[in-house]
Amino acid sequence: DSGVTQTPKHLITATGQRVTLRCSPRSGDLSVYWYQQSLDQGLQFLIQYYNGEERAKGNILERFSAQQFPDLHSELNLSSLELGDSALYFCASSTWDRGTEAFFGQGTRLTVV
Amino acid sequence: DQQVKQNSPSLSVQEGRISILNCDYTNSMFDYFLWYKKYPAEGPTFLISISSIKDKNEDGRFTVFLNKSAKHLSLHIVPSQPGDSAVYFCAAIHTSGTYKYIFGTGTRLKVLA
Repeated sequence: DSGVTQTPKHLITATGQRVTLRCSPRSGDLSVYWYQQSLDQGLQFLIQYYNGEERAKGNILERFSAQQFPDLHSELNLSSLELGDSALYFCASSTWDRGTEAFFGQGTRLTVV
Repeated sequence: DQQVKQNSPSLSVQEGRISILNCDYTNSMFDYFLWYKKYPAEGPTFLISISSIKDKNEDGRFTVFLNKSAKHLSLHIVPSQPGDSAVYFCAAIHTSGTYKYIFGTGTRLKVLA
């Protein structure tokens, strides 16, 4: 158990809809990362938050947004969903300023039909 | 722009032999490198890491080698075991930057009994 919790584990929704993925980082970790993995491809970096502030952005679509709350949990919002958004979405956390490795959650499998 | 590359999508090795997984990077600002292992339906789990001030780091059966001049790192697993069968991702960080983890596309290792 990595200590990073993602909910829900599975999500099936229709095109055009909006969903929210939730992540609770490990206790003490201030940095949260979101990654997308499509069809056994690599882990594409989406966005990083540190202590509530956005730190880095990757290949995140404008239809996607994220935030980190004061209790350090994070949410990834995906809107106007398309079939191509079907993927595994992983959240990871690290201490950033002291830590080195990031710890990953089990992921949320999103299926858009 | 794929800054971290794993050019071998798959690798098969006999049990007991050495597995060598390779990774190349293009960004000379990367100064910390990690290997993760991923089983199906699970999140990636941290395996081993190396700082750019070192050229080798060992942890049990796992050794990571770094060749900075060639911008190349490799993971050696000796001896390979069937339980090592998984997808292996290398990742790189620029620790003076945003500390975002950039992942390669992964190599699927199959250890044959």
